[in-house]
Amino acid sequence: AQKVTQAQTEISVVEKEDVTLDCVYETRDTTYYLFWYKQPPSGELVFLIRRNSFDEQNEISGRYSWNFQKSTSSFNFTITASQVVDSAVYFCALSTGANSKLTFGKGITLSVRP
Amino acid sequence: GAVVSQHPSWVICKSGTSVKIECRSLDFQATTMFWYRQFPKQSLMLMATSNEGSKATYEQGVEKDKFLINHASLTLSTLTVTSAHPEDSSFYICSARVAGESGGTQYFGPGTRLTVL
Repeated sequence: AQKVTQAQTEISVVEKEDVTLDCVYETRDTTYYLFWYKQPPSGELVFLIRRNSFDEQNEISGRYSWNFQKSTSSFNFTITASQVVDSAVYFCALSTGANSKLTFGKGITLSVRP
Repeated sequence: GAVVSQHPSWVICKSGTSVKIECRSLDFQATTMFWYRQFPKQSLMLMATSNEGSKATYEQGVEKDKFLINHASLTLSTLTVTSAHPEDSSFYICSARVAGESGGTQYFGPGTRLTVL
């Protein structure tokens, strides 16, 4: 069975602070994919990144960066110099197998104050 | 690219009526679409997986006769909530997976907020 744990439930920071959102996953499959999605107050889930289990390279995209570590089964997401527009719920998700069903974490509510 | 639309974005209906929600992949073909339900301040709960041209696969505990899913083409899936009741009020979100893409990134629609009076 698959499981995604986002232990942080709510994080509040002041604009321009860096913030890291944690994600720990469990799976017995050797091939799997990890995702991060952003859900702003409007409700639409926005795809941020996908990582496969064979690619442990960290990734940076603008102010966003992701750290994937198989040794600790973690796929953490860092926002550098946070902005008010980053306020949203962030979901980490895992998929395995041919049907690619997503297992979501419970989400982290990030509030960035001006 | 990878845009998914949903219609309507919100609907209010009386108890006992049926409501149809459409999910369209606008710029890609989707052999598989997914329907989720989300309660306030909670994560997404998968209701069913919809494959083009075949019957949907429902998750345990989801009534297939209550939530009718049709995936008639590679760009359209519909969810019909039959004989809706107040407890069916929720935020319904669809997603679509790009046909032939390994890893199956799901792209989500903007959601439909259903309120049953």
